[in-house]
Amino acid sequence: SQTIHQWPATLVQPVGSPLSLECTVEGTSNPNLYWYRQAAGRGLQLLFYSVGIGQISSEVPQNLSASRPQDRQFILSSKKLLLSDSGFYLCAWSPGVTGELFFGEGSRLTVL
Amino acid sequence: GQQVMQIPQYQHVQEGEDFTTYCNSSTTLSNIQWYKQRPGGHPVFLIQLVKSGEVKKQKRLTFQFGEAKKNSSLHITATQTTDVGTYFCAGFGYSGGGADGLTFGKGTHLIIQP
Repeated sequence: SQTIHQWPATLVQPVGSPLSLECTVEGTSNPNLYWYRQAAGRGLQLLFYSVGIGQISSEVPQNLSASRPQDRQFILSSKKLLLSDSGFYLCAWSPGVTGELFFGEGSRLTVL
Repeated sequence: GQQVMQIPQYQHVQEGEDFTTYCNSSTTLSNIQWYKQRPGGHPVFLIQLVKSGEVKKQKRLTFQFGEAKKNSSLHITATQTTDVGTYFCAGFGYSGGGADGLTFGKGTHLIIQP
């Protein structure tokens, strides 16, 4: 069966520090991969999605970036965090373009 | 661009009462999905509706997709404390069809008072 792992689960970082969140999917090949951000009590904002290795599409301008170095690995990064980057970051995968999303357990980021 | 509106934002009910959340899209959808997120957890896929007028049931949960494929609803009968959480709808539009074609509503927070 397919599983998705996301880490770290919790992160407290100072403003201006770098960020790296990692997500891996097991049990499937060539998944569509996504990074979402959820502000406290709010909806889901799509940040990046990828349909293949090295293919990244960005939904919103920001100081975040994403990379997909391997088929089942998706990384969210920042060189310098802002206070507004605080939130709950969720990685997800789907088997196809219109299929359901399977979310990781999320990474809760607090920028101080 | 496509917008998906979801109401109400919050719903307080007594345990045992029914609950309904509504989802409306600004454009016709190819399909709609529903997710549940428990407090502190991650969204979990519940169901996908594809056909116009489709109705699907999962135990006490009933999902409907409107005839025009622009609205949907989730109804829970006789709520239980395990139903607490945020329910999101998410719709796929026809315009793109690509990986970014899924638009989430802002969710309905269900709070149950015992």
